[in-house]
Amino acid sequence: DAMVIQNPRYQVTQFGKPVTLSCSQTLNHNVMYWYQQKSSQAPKLLFHYYDKDFNNEADTPDNFQSRRPNTSFCFLDIRSPGLGDAAMYLCATSRDLGEGGGYTFGSGTRLTVV
Amino acid sequence: GDSVTQMEGPVTLSEEAFLTINCTYTATGYPSLFWYVQYPGEGLQLLLKATKADDKGSNKGFEATYRKETTSFHLEKGSVQVSDSAVYFCALHSGNTPLVFGKGTRLSVIA
Repeated sequence: DAMVIQNPRYQVTQFGKPVTLSCSQTLNHNVMYWYQQKSSQAPKLLFHYYDKDFNNEADTPDNFQSRRPNTSFCFLDIRSPGLGDAAMYLCATSRDLGEGGGYTFGSGTRLTVV
Repeated sequence: GDSVTQMEGPVTLSEEAFLTINCTYTATGYPSLFWYVQYPGEGLQLLLKATKADDKGSNKGFEATYRKETTSFHLEKGSVQVSDSAVYFCALHSGNTPLVFGKGTRLSVIA
């Protein structure tokens, strides 16, 4: 089945230690998104890629970076995680922009910062 | 910017009860509206959508009508089942912008 896979499901990292979360897709979708979801809050868009074109949300902290080396993979790098970065990180894809009904989500990576 | 407001959860219902989860939105232009559902341990998945005023989206017994006059898109189901227990997210987008989500409402249905 075509899908979006996030690894790992659970990640524990130390305060200030760089961490990378990964997302892969077999759908060949053009757009990949990273959302941050904290407890009882709305998923918040961090950035998205349209193909190789990177789009950063204005309020995404500089601590968060992303890479998309090819169509299938997208990475979220947190350079110096703080306690406030503990959250669920959701990766999603869509074939094109403006296809709100066509998002496919991974199961998420829950990040704990100790 | 665009935003979505959902009723606070959790919502706990008995099986076969009627469900309403309220959702209102603020947006420039004419957004498309969505309900996504997240079952335990799984990713969000589309439940239903409506792309213009007065459209009704429906799926799996759930319905929601796009009400432009009240800027609302309330989710309803006439008779919930235990298998409907999940977190429900109202969302919107305008044009080519990414989805904007509400906080989610957790529904628990007990037998």
